[in-house]
Amino acid sequence: QKEVEQDPGPLSVPEGAIVSLNCTYSNSAFQYFMWYRQYSRKGPELLMYTYSSGNKEDGRFTAQVDKSSKYISLFIRDSQPSDSATYLCAMSPHLSGGYNKLIFGAGTRLAVHP
Amino acid sequence: GAGVSQSPRYKVAKRGQDVALRCDPISGHVSLFWYQQALGQGPEFLTYFQNEAQLDKSGLPSDRFFAERPEGSVSTLKIQRTQQEDSAVYLCASSLAQGFYYEQYFGPGTRLTVT
Repeated sequence: QKEVEQDPGPLSVPEGAIVSLNCTYSNSAFQYFMWYRQYSRKGPELLMYTYSSGNKEDGRFTAQVDKSSKYISLFIRDSQPSDSATYLCAMSPHLSGGYNKLIFGAGTRLAVHP
Repeated sequence: GAGVSQSPRYKVAKRGQDVALRCDPISGHVSLFWYQQALGQGPEFLTYFQNEAQLDKSGLPSDRFFAERPEGSVSTLKIQRTQQEDSAVYLCASSLAQGFYYEQYFGPGTRLTVT
């Protein structure tokens, strides 16, 4: 079993819909939680970064972390066709070396159609 | 400003050949990471540099994989005697400094196909 599980989709929604993406994990040592967006033939780009449990909002994006359930979510409001991409969750333990050794989920492919 | 660049963007190698993949991080970035992304999967950590020091190479899949960053800027990932299972996109990322709150900026990757 992988340390981070993520439904690969694909997920297809109409423009303007609210999108919910999520990941579960098994390693209780994870402290830092991220969501990345990856367009085809591009590298991942950071969308949201959360430390430990809680919610964080940035524009149309909201990230939630529930460490008790080992479950993280990303919500996208008012989705746009330009949001069509693969969304990767990533997490890292608190390493003594002071760097993020990112463990990624498999990614969820999202298509937002006009 | 310029982001992380990688070259070549595409590489086709015959099984058994050696390959070298280059990463140019953002200027001044101290930390550098290599990841391997198989088709339909998320990236997997390979190795981490702080300046020229390779502090973590726990993700390198075999002793055929070797990475270096001799002057603390450009990095090269070398794969010897390539195998078909090495086919993947190799991503490089850099961050400004050591620490948990510094964003990793990814390059576009090198797509390696071993035939």
